[in-house]
Amino acid sequence: NAGVMQNPRHLVRRRGQEARLRCSPMKGHSHVYWYRQLPEEGLKFMVYLQKENIIDESGMPKERFSAEFPKEGPSILRIQQVVRGDSAAYFCASSPGQGVDYNEQFFGPGTRLTVL
Amino acid sequence: LAKTTQPISMDSYEGQEVNITCSHNNIATNDYITWYQQFPSQGPRFIIQGYKTKVTNEVASLFIPADRKSSTLSLPRVSLSDTAVYYCLVGFMDSNYQLIWGAGTKLIIKP
Repeated sequence: NAGVMQNPRHLVRRRGQEARLRCSPMKGHSHVYWYRQLPEEGLKFMVYLQKENIIDESGMPKERFSAEFPKEGPSILRIQQVVRGDSAAYFCASSPGQGVDYNEQFFGPGTRLTVL
Repeated sequence: LAKTTQPISMDSYEGQEVNITCSHNNIATNDYITWYQQFPSQGPRFIIQGYKTKVTNEVASLFIPADRKSSTLSLPRVSLSDTAVYYCLVGFMDSNYQLIWGAGTKLIIKP
């Protein structure tokens, strides 16, 4: 059973370009979470999605950032017109969702975005 | 949302028992306490979760006093591979995406 998969692992973009980060949750998981982590800091929640629905995007910047989790395919975190401050590690996590004893999140290896 | 306070860093030696204490003075009745481990360039990994008293699994033990205002993660007989950052998180079990992640405790194990 493969874990959470993220690609690309490393992404370099120039200012003003678009970045697309992909996340495939664990098999059987219908809940996906995106986090951002700056060096030497903890994770910061961005968005929580279920299939075809955004449940909570309170941690997402209002502009340039969007996320989706379509019925088929991976979850996508999209950053338009990237700026240097977007450089960070972006982690995706998944969980089985409701009706489990505890809502443990399983994390992917992350995508390291560098904006030149 | 309950915030947590934990030491920024700790050192220990192979074979020792390591205890990392976390303070969470404003923990709410419905909150659980969860610990994650993160290695460099990897995503965090769940270690253990508890509500009160003591929880033990094959990796660690979690001690929670009666007032639940603190908790202690205990790692028995650590090895070099236990060098990592350890995060203490407090929140609702069914909505833990809202957890506040602090900077964690950087544990360095020496030979």
